[in-house]
Amino acid sequence: GQQVMQIPQYQHVQEGEDFTTYCNSSTTLSNIQWYKQRPGGHPVFLIQLVKSGEVKKQKRLTFQFGEAKKNSSLHITATQTTDVGTYFCAVSGTYKYIFGTGTRLKVLA
Amino acid sequence: DVKVTQSSRYLVKRTGEKVFLECVQDMDHENMFWYRQDPGLGLRLIYFSYDVKMKEKGDIPEGYSVSREKKERFSLILESASTNQTSMYLCASSLPQGAAFQETQYFGPGTRLLVL
Repeated sequence: GQQVMQIPQYQHVQEGEDFTTYCNSSTTLSNIQWYKQRPGGHPVFLIQLVKSGEVKKQKRLTFQFGEAKKNSSLHITATQTTDVGTYFCAVSGTYKYIFGTGTRLKVLA
Repeated sequence: DVKVTQSSRYLVKRTGEKVFLECVQDMDHENMFWYRQDPGLGLRLIYFSYDVKMKEKGDIPEGYSVSREKKERFSLILESASTNQTSMYLCASSLPQGAAFQETQYFGPGTRLLVL
C-alpha cells in the first residue's frame, strides 16, 4: 500500500533558528496536506498543495511540493516558541488519507 | 464555525469491557474517520465512513467496530477492550472527495483511553 515517510522524527532548535520537515512518497501524489498538532491538542489543517512545484507561504512558513509530486517540505523561518508541536503531512487515497509519522518540533528559548 | 466533538477527553476502562467512543460533527460532512495516535507511529486509520450506514475498514480495524446511524454521528466500539488499545483516539470529518482534490479534515479534541 501507499506509504509516506516523514523526516526527521524529532527536531530541537534554538529560538530564532530555521526548521524544515520533509515528506516523501514512493508514488506520485495528487495532492498533499500539512497539519499542525500542538502539545495536548488535535491536528489542525495548515495548507494543501496540488500543483507540481507549487510553493505557498503563510507568514514564516513555506510549503513546497516537488516537481515530480513525490515529496514535499515545510520550512519555518526564525522559529518561535509558538511553533512547538508536531507537524504531519497527509496524502490522499480513495476516500481516505494517509498520514506521515510526524515531526515533533521543540523550540528552546 | 466548524465543530467536531468527542464524548470524553479521558477514559479509564478495564480489560474485557465494551467501550463506546462517540463523535459528533455539526458541519453536515459526509465523510467521518476514526484514528488512533501512538508515539512514533503517527495517525493510523481504524475505520471510516463516507455515508450514513456505510463503513470501510482502515489500516488497523482489528478489535474495533463502528456505527453510523445518523450523518452527524460516528461511533467507535471496542467490543472487548485490551491493554494494547490504550491510546489517543481522534475523530475527524470532511466533505466528500472533489474531482480534483481532497477536502480538509477537521479533527475532534481526542479521547485518551487507558485500558487497565
